[in-house]
Amino acid sequence: DAGVIQSPRHEVTEMGQEVTLRCKPISGHDYLFWYRQTMMRGLELLIYFNNNVPIDDSGMPEDRFSAKMPNASFSTLKIQPSEPRDSAVYFCASSFGPQGGYTFGSGTRLTVV
Amino acid sequence: AQSVTQLDSQVPVFEEAPVELRCNYSSSVSVYLFWYVQYPNQGLQLLLKYLSGSTLVKGINGFEAEFNKSQTSFHLRKPSVHISDTAEYFCAAEGQGGSEKLVFGKGTKLTVNP
Repeated sequence: DAGVIQSPRHEVTEMGQEVTLRCKPISGHDYLFWYRQTMMRGLELLIYFNNNVPIDDSGMPEDRFSAKMPNASFSTLKIQPSEPRDSAVYFCASSFGPQGGYTFGSGTRLTVV
Repeated sequence: AQSVTQLDSQVPVFEEAPVELRCNYSSSVSVYLFWYVQYPNQGLQLLLKYLSGSTLVKGINGFEAEFNKSQTSFHLRKPSVHISDTAEYFCAAEGQGGSEKLVFGKGTKLTVNP
């Protein structure tokens, strides 16, 4: 398996633009997690899915953020409109369930100017 | 709910020296415990995990960790570090029988100097 695949690796966008981050989890993993990492706040869980259904989105910072998982092999995290404070590294991770630990993607480094 | 505290934000050591990275957790239920490593510009990679049984857990790259229930600790150790071990290390906890969410500590930056 190629692991968790995220795209793009880097994204630079202007304030106000829409940004879409993409994730392909490991086949057979029923759980998918979106995290944000910054120097100030560390790793923050934004949202997670089980069998494509959002379970907990309490970490989504505001309505500008949305996430979808239309099928077991694809998820998106969208920011509209983007702001400079959204600049961070966004990680996707997947898991087959409790005890398994997570497999992380390489992340998307987002810079909003 | 769980919380994880990594007591040291930065740990500098010399090559071939032993190292211990400290992690304490708080939880109202039993937990599964994990250590992850993050190399620069990469995602987090699982080092080792404690689920049950023997309290000494061995992981990749020569690391090991010991679960101490009375101290609510899960410290990570390596007897002799290499330059290539320079990375950030994260401790994480997951409550048994409840949420599938991992709660991460804030990380410890290990720097191995020649």
